[in-house]
Amino acid sequence: GQQLNQSPQSMFIQEGEDVSMNCTSSSIFNTWLWYKQDPGEGPVLLIALYKAGELTSNGRLTAQFGITRKDSFLNISASIPSDVGIYFCAGRNTGNQFYFGTGTSLTVIP
Amino acid sequence: GAVVSQHPSRVICKSGTSVKIECRSLDFQATTMFWYRQFPKKSLMLMATSNEGSKATYEQGVEKDKFLINHASLTLSTLTVTSAHPEDSSFYICSARYGQLYEQYFGPGTRLTVT
Repeated sequence: GQQLNQSPQSMFIQEGEDVSMNCTSSSIFNTWLWYKQDPGEGPVLLIALYKAGELTSNGRLTAQFGITRKDSFLNISASIPSDVGIYFCAGRNTGNQFYFGTGTSLTVIP
Repeated sequence: GAVVSQHPSRVICKSGTSVKIECRSLDFQATTMFWYRQFPKKSLMLMATSNEGSKATYEQGVEKDKFLINHASLTLSTLTVTSAHPEDSSFYICSARYGQLYEQYFGPGTRLTVT
């Protein structure tokens, strides 16, 4: 099935730096979700977005629902070691089908 | 809130046997449950969607006779891998959603190893 394009595929950053990743689709989405997955665990929901242009924060995390409804962004400010993991975006299209992004692997160097 | 559990967390079985994995929503009634499969360092691959009391909808390429899904109640769905083979070894994750919300809440996953 369709997968969302997520970039970058991986990131290696220093502790304290800000992180930005994005997810794009060729079709319009009505919902964007961002998840974090630790090794050997299930994904944990970070932020849910329901309206174009919506900007939502969860602690140091901020996500935005793109105006075109074809993309979404996740920013992490002042990264810490426990931010390490794989971040997935997920989206629901107008046909109520869910798709997951290819994931962004984040490594934070202390 | 919105806690989903899976059991077992790890299972090793012999080729040809069947394995059942349970997915439970602990503090909410799940109108829909989803089953995913994930290969190492890959994204989640949706296998099937199940609504309580009705047959599961399988994604293209997923054998419904091999991966039996039962969603008998609003808090429990089971996935049975029948006649397992080594290529069925994988990480299986369920998720659940409730009401009109589209957020999916994931279980911790089950690592299946078929020897």
